[in-house]
Amino acid sequence: QKEVEQDPGPLSVPEGAIVSLNCTYSNSAFQYFMWYRQYSRKGPELLMYTYSSGNKEDGRFTAQVDKSSKYISLFIRDSQPSDSATYLCAMSLGNQFYFGTGTSLTVIP
Amino acid sequence: EAGVVQSPRYKIIEKKQPVAFWCNPISGHNTLYWYRQNLGQGPELLIRYENEEAVDDSQLPKDRFSAERLKGVDSTLKIQPAELGDSAVYLCASSPSTGDLYEQYFGPGTRLTVT
Repeated sequence: QKEVEQDPGPLSVPEGAIVSLNCTYSNSAFQYFMWYRQYSRKGPELLMYTYSSGNKEDGRFTAQVDKSSKYISLFIRDSQPSDSATYLCAMSLGNQFYFGTGTSLTVIP
Repeated sequence: EAGVVQSPRYKIIEKKQPVAFWCNPISGHNTLYWYRQNLGQGPELLIRYENEEAVDDSQLPKDRFSAERLKGVDSTLKIQPAELGDSAVYLCASSPSTGDLYEQYFGPGTRLTVT
């Protein structure tokens, strides 16, 4: 079993839609939960991180962590064509990072 | 502040040839990572350095891959000889400190094609 599971998509939505991206994980010891955005031919860039359980909001983005279910989500409100990218979830334990496979998102104008 | 710098950005070589990738992390970042990312996959760790010490190289194919981080700053990843299956994007990342981490900054990657 992989440490982190993520649906690869692809996901295609119309502009303005609410997008929900999800990951599950197996190691209950994970402490930090991150979402990275990766544009084509670029390195991943950190979008948001959450420590332990709970929600975190940053503009149009909301990250949720449910440690009891070992499930994390990223919501994008009012999605824009510029949000088209691959979204990677990641979790850390100490200074070790574990990445999902990424979900490819396309926002259609 | 400059980000993580990697070179070259692209490299095409024939199988059995050697290749080297260079990374300059963000100034002051003690932890440096090398990842390999295959198409449609997330980054997979090859090696992690804390300062100049390789603290996790369990996923590095040591028969053909080697890495070094002299003086705890720049790092070089080498493959010799390259195989067709080594075609991938090689990402370098750095973090500001050891211990619990959530911040990891990536470079643009080196796209390697082995023919």
